[in-house]
Amino acid sequence: DIQVTQSPSSLSPSVGDRVTITCRSSQSISSYLNWYQQKPGKAPNLLIYAASSLQSGVPSRFSGSGSGTDFTLTISSLQPEDSATYYCQQSYSLPYTFGQGTKLEIK
Amino acid sequence: EVQLVESGGGFVQPGGSLRLSCAASGFTLRTYWMHWVRQAPGKGLVWVSRINSDGSSRSYADSVKGRFTISRDNTKNTLYLQMNSLRAEDTAVYYCARDPDSSGWSYMDVWGKGTTVTVSS
Repeated sequence: DIQVTQSPSSLSPSVGDRVTITCRSSQSISSYLNWYQQKPGKAPNLLIYAASSLQSGVPSRFSGSGSGTDFTLTISSLQPEDSATYYCQQSYSLPYTFGQGTKLEIK
Repeated sequence: EVQLVESGGGFVQPGGSLRLSCAASGFTLRTYWMHWVRQAPGKGLVWVSRINSDGSSRSYADSVKGRFTISRDNTKNTLYLQMNSLRAEDTAVYYCARDPDSSGWSYMDVWGKGTTVTVSS
């Protein structure tokens, strides 16, 4: 199975900060990497697919980059509503695997 | 409105069975691949199973293989997960999710709110 590791596991930035979350896969997955946001008690919400494609309706402050084994999710200017847990997920091969999550708590 | 609504969760003893349903509305289910994903209390997301658009191809996580069966009825716009021989470690919120499998890219663009399964004696 392909392992997907996120870092950091948590962070506490301030409103307006630029935030970067990293995801690393145990083998090359080309651009088969998706990012989701999950708020407490809610279902996940797709942010980015195919490493860098912004899902319709998602604010443009979210962006994704990377290919191969190293990927990043960037929030350009953090907003209060961005407080959530973020997950990466590889769709290169089955079984699909998720990162362990990055909990973002805004100061 | 595009929507997925799960049902069928509940409390069951170890070794028991449950069948989850996921009703789709606002879109035609038969044009999409579908997934089940679960989340144990306080834990992360775990992929469980996938089925292609016509039901001819099914895949499972090793942890549920041989115990769970994914299926679909496109005439009823409904996805199912039959869960047998349930274990305490199957306790989780179960989400169904839509996958457009667009141009070979697989991702989950619409999710249900989830249904809770609790396995305990």
